[in-house]
Amino acid sequence: SAVISQKPSRDICQRGTSLTIQCQVDSQVTMMFWYRQQPGQSLTLIATANQGSEATYESGFVIDKFPISRPNLTFSTLTVSNMSPEDSSIYLCSSKTGEEGSRADTQYFGPGTRLTVL
Amino acid sequence: AQSVTQLGSHVSVSEGALVLLRCNYSSSVPPYLFWYVQYPNQGLQLLLKYTSAATLVKGINGFEAEFKKSETSFHLTKPSAHMSDAAEYFCAVTGSSGYALNFGKGTSLLVTP
Repeated sequence: SAVISQKPSRDICQRGTSLTIQCQVDSQVTMMFWYRQQPGQSLTLIATANQGSEATYESGFVIDKFPISRPNLTFSTLTVSNMSPEDSSIYLCSSKTGEEGSRADTQYFGPGTRLTVL
Repeated sequence: AQSVTQLGSHVSVSEGALVLLRCNYSSSVPPYLFWYVQYPNQGLQLLLKYTSAATLVKGINGFEAEFKKSETSFHLTKPSAHMSDAAEYFCAVTGSSGYALNFGKGTSLLVTP
């Protein structure tokens, strides 16, 4: 299993500013992901954070808006850039340990970062 | 592409009654299916998962789910609801993007006394 922590847990930001969210896993993991959960909605995959290379973004998400870093096997950051009220969401970090093979592997989630943009 | 559909965005049951939360999947490959629970202001917690072993999967907190290929379903059940079961429940399937999960829209479970 993996225990995931995120910082900050919540923030209120002004329009046009940027926020960097940190994700720390307590063990080395093969895959790390970032999701967005808009109010009252399900989780949408933003990107896969690749260790030592550029993240892989899903349709509708771009690097300029959501730059991601993953410098090692236990840590990743997501930046929400030039924020607008539409970016108000919960952002969740997730990881897989690779213990059970890629497709069957359990995906663990952090507690989320609740972002409000005014 | 792999996807899941959860029928019923809100389900209300009485304490002690059967809980049934519905999930149907669509997958071009044999699916790996998951149920997660999200309590208010918390992250997601794995309830159970199906990975092609037994079709009846038992999870935590008394929940279980049965994989039915003929019906493309993976419904979640619990024989007797507790007040503490009130939460948001998400069905998910392993997708193709780094094998990240694709989630359904979620079902909010309300348990009444």
